[in-house]
Amino acid sequence: KQEVTQIPAALSVPEGENLVLNCSFTDSAIYNLQWFRQDPGKGLTSLLLIQSSQREQTSGRLNASLDKSSGRSTLYIAASQPGDSATYLCAALLQGGSEKLVFGKGTKLTVNP
Amino acid sequence: EAGVVQSPRYKIIEKKQPVAFWCNPISGHNTLYWYRQNLGQGPELLIRYENEEAVDDSQLPKDRFSAERLKGVDSTLKIQPAELGDSAVYLCASSLRRGFLNTIYFGEGSWLTVV
Repeated sequence: KQEVTQIPAALSVPEGENLVLNCSFTDSAIYNLQWFRQDPGKGLTSLLLIQSSQREQTSGRLNASLDKSSGRSTLYIAASQPGDSATYLCAALLQGGSEKLVFGKGTKLTVNP
Repeated sequence: EAGVVQSPRYKIIEKKQPVAFWCNPISGHNTLYWYRQNLGQGPELLIRYENEEAVDDSQLPKDRFSAERLKGVDSTLKIQPAELGDSAVYLCASSLRRGFLNTIYFGEGSWLTVV
């Protein structure tokens, strides 16, 4: 059974700091790994999608990497801003008939001005 | 382009009452998902549709939950009767085709409180 773990559960940083969020998964049989952002009371917004054949994806100040062999992904946020405060979830899309997204519990990020 | 639309956004009901949630996916998206998110947890898949066919409903508690996607567009998720443990956010999502090639887009969720 695929398990996705995110560390840390919560993170508080001063504005301008670069930071890394970690995600690990137990089964490397995945199609892709996605990072989402969730603001309080809102749904999920897709940030980055990394296919299993890729190593990383970049969008603006965000960079996500994927190492299937070690079962790890990281989300790097450069020059953090208060507007980055949210919960960040990673999700692995399982191969096989289910094609189910398995989510971690998320990392709650607070960027202090 | 409109995103995934869900209604109602918030619902408070007494236990044993029925409740229904509606979802309108992004236009042209063939794949539709219903997820449930408990407080402090990541979402968990309830059911996945490819067009009007439910291709994965293994996580749907079939004794009280039902879902339909008529004409392969809008979808409805029903709970009857609701239990206290059903309090959660019910998220609808859609993707252009099968999710392994395409980004999955989520709606803002329907927040259910059962009292």
